[in-house]
Amino acid sequence: GENVEQHPSTLSVQEGDSAVIKCTYSDSASNYFPWYKQELGKRPQLIIDIRSNVGEKKDQRIAVTLNKTAKHFSLHITETQPEDSAVYFCAASKGNTDKLIFGTGTRLQVFP
Amino acid sequence: GAVVSQHPSWVICKSGTSVKIECRSLDFQATTMFWYRQFPKQSLMLMATSNEGSKATYEQGVEKDKFLINHASLTLSTLTVTSAHPEDSSFYICSATRAGTEAFFGQGTRLTVV
Repeated sequence: GENVEQHPSTLSVQEGDSAVIKCTYSDSASNYFPWYKQELGKRPQLIIDIRSNVGEKKDQRIAVTLNKTAKHFSLHITETQPEDSAVYFCAASKGNTDKLIFGTGTRLQVFP
Repeated sequence: GAVVSQHPSWVICKSGTSVKIECRSLDFQATTMFWYRQFPKQSLMLMATSNEGSKATYEQGVEKDKFLINHASLTLSTLTVTSAHPEDSSFYICSATRAGTEAFFGQGTRLTVV
């Protein structure tokens, strides 16, 4: 089955700096890759997603890149703010209505 | 956006008892719902896929007789933790998808077994 690895597990940056989180997946049939932000005790919130027919997608300060050949995708957050501090999860599935397999999570801390 | 509601938000039960958690899609029909479990400081682990009108599909290592899933209608799936033990204490989250859109998550249920 699908296996998703995520790095780093923790990431500390200064406010205004950029943050990059990387994930790799194992199943070449996966074609949908969402990223979630989760605050303590809350449900995951979708922040951006990408499908396998696209190499990059951007939404304001957030971007995701996908390398299908290497089977890895990355989340880029620019101009980080303290409110970006949370746990971020990547995930992979074989379609956005299929089950999601989550990465191990990255705890991002943005210091003022 | 679509709304998925989970109930209860938190529950404390005694060891050996059973607990039922409900997951409802409030404004759309979901033929498939998913149940995840999240231990503190860990990721969401898929437990099972709940299919309306048929048996759930469980992930490897998840005991189907312990975690009973029923998906009786297109808007409701239930997870029953039977004979709960302290090690079952966790954050349980459901999700549902509407065709062509992303997954929508319930707010989660924090189960504490004492």
